[in-house]
Amino acid sequence: GDQVEQSPSALSLHEGTDSALRCNFTTTMRSVQWFRQNSRGSLISLFYLASGTKENGRLKSAFDSKERRYSTLHIRDAQLEDSGTYFCAAPNQGGSAKLIFGEGTKLTVSS
Amino acid sequence: GGIITQTPKFLIGQEGQKLTLKCQQNFNHDTMYWYRQDSGKGLRLIYYSITENDLQKGDLSEGYDASREKKSSFSLTVTSAQKNEMAVFLCASSIWTGGNNQAPLFGEGTRLSVL
Repeated sequence: GDQVEQSPSALSLHEGTDSALRCNFTTTMRSVQWFRQNSRGSLISLFYLASGTKENGRLKSAFDSKERRYSTLHIRDAQLEDSGTYFCAAPNQGGSAKLIFGEGTKLTVSS
Repeated sequence: GGIITQTPKFLIGQEGQKLTLKCQQNFNHDTMYWYRQDSGKGLRLIYYSITENDLQKGDLSEGYDASREKKSSFSLTVTSAQKNEMAVFLCASSIWTGGNNQAPLFGEGTRLSVL
């Protein structure tokens, strides 16, 4: 079936550094969504992209519009509050209501 | 503002017990979802519903029932709790617009432990 693969599975950053999280799909996807889950388990939607890039503060996400099998989430000037688990998700081929989630990237930002 | 409320927040059950989890949303969203998340893992779709009284199976529907009693509520039943089962059940809702479901909003989750 459709698969969503995230890398790395875990990432440690020092405050002020930049990094990127990656999301690969085994098949072409119409859109991608990025979420952050905090330590309490709450899932917050960060981005919804059908193509191109979106930016919000220190976060920027891109979705490869040509192949539609790859997305990235860039974190600039990482802060302690960025710590959490980041998930990407995409609708499966059968219908846009079904979102398939990756296994997540656990990000730890330290001072 | 709107909110998605899941009850209970914590649920402790016995092996073989039938357990019901509830979810309410006041966004007037069309689609509602139930996901299961095991520790350190991603979310897996159990059931979803695109409108009142609709029910669609996800990838993990075996062992569960669901009911969309009205547009604002979606309940999930674990038909027979498995011993030592531990997971978080997340409810979400989204609006249907432009031929697509928009980004879902999630509840805080129900944490299940089975003794």
